[in-house]
Amino acid sequence: SQKIEQNSEALNIQEGKTATLTCNYTNYSPAYLQWYRQDPGRGPVFLLLIRENEKEKRKERLKVTFDTTLKQSLFHITASQPADSATYLCALPSNNTDKLIFGTGTRLQVFP
Amino acid sequence: EAGVAQSPRYKIIEKRQSVAFWCNPISGHATLYWYQQILGQGPKLLIQFQNNGVVDDSQLPKDRFSAERLKGVDSTLKIQPAKLEDSAVYLCASSLQGADTGELFFGEGSRLTVL
Repeated sequence: SQKIEQNSEALNIQEGKTATLTCNYTNYSPAYLQWYRQDPGRGPVFLLLIRENEKEKRKERLKVTFDTTLKQSLFHITASQPADSATYLCALPSNNTDKLIFGTGTRLQVFP
Repeated sequence: EAGVAQSPRYKIIEKRQSVAFWCNPISGHATLYWYQQILGQGPKLLIQFQNNGVVDDSQLPKDRFSAERLKGVDSTLKIQPAKLEDSAVYLCASSLQGADTGELFFGEGSRLTVL
């Protein structure tokens, strides 16, 4: 069956370090993958979209990689700040559809 | 630019009662989505509209859930009768076209508690 896996355990890192979050998927062949940020009590907010022919994409302190062979995307936040503390969700389309499926998210906590 | 509006923000009902949620998407967005997010889980797609037609409702429990999108703009999601397991946040999202062309814009959600 199709599955999206994100580390359910919270990631705790010190301010200034690089946070790396992982999104693994099985039985999918996504043409693209998206990352969202969700704060408590709020709706998800779009961060980045990366397509299958793109190995890497950057936006300010954010970097996303997409390895279709490993079936994995990595999401990096460099020079992390306490304000980056949130849950980060990856999402990809169900096979042959436009239906966007979300992972369970990983909670990131950046402490001073 | 106004975002996706949802109401009510919070609703508490008893099981077997009914509830309705309303969503007003961003102006001009053709695609509208309703997601259910249970605490500690990722959002789960319930129904997707393209203009006022249903694109996907395979995960909508049709014996108790219904949704409509009037004139391809606003949408309502109804639950009747509610069960305890329906306690969740109901998120509405919209996009200009489909998700493959860019981001989904989410509202703040409607938190439902079923007692």
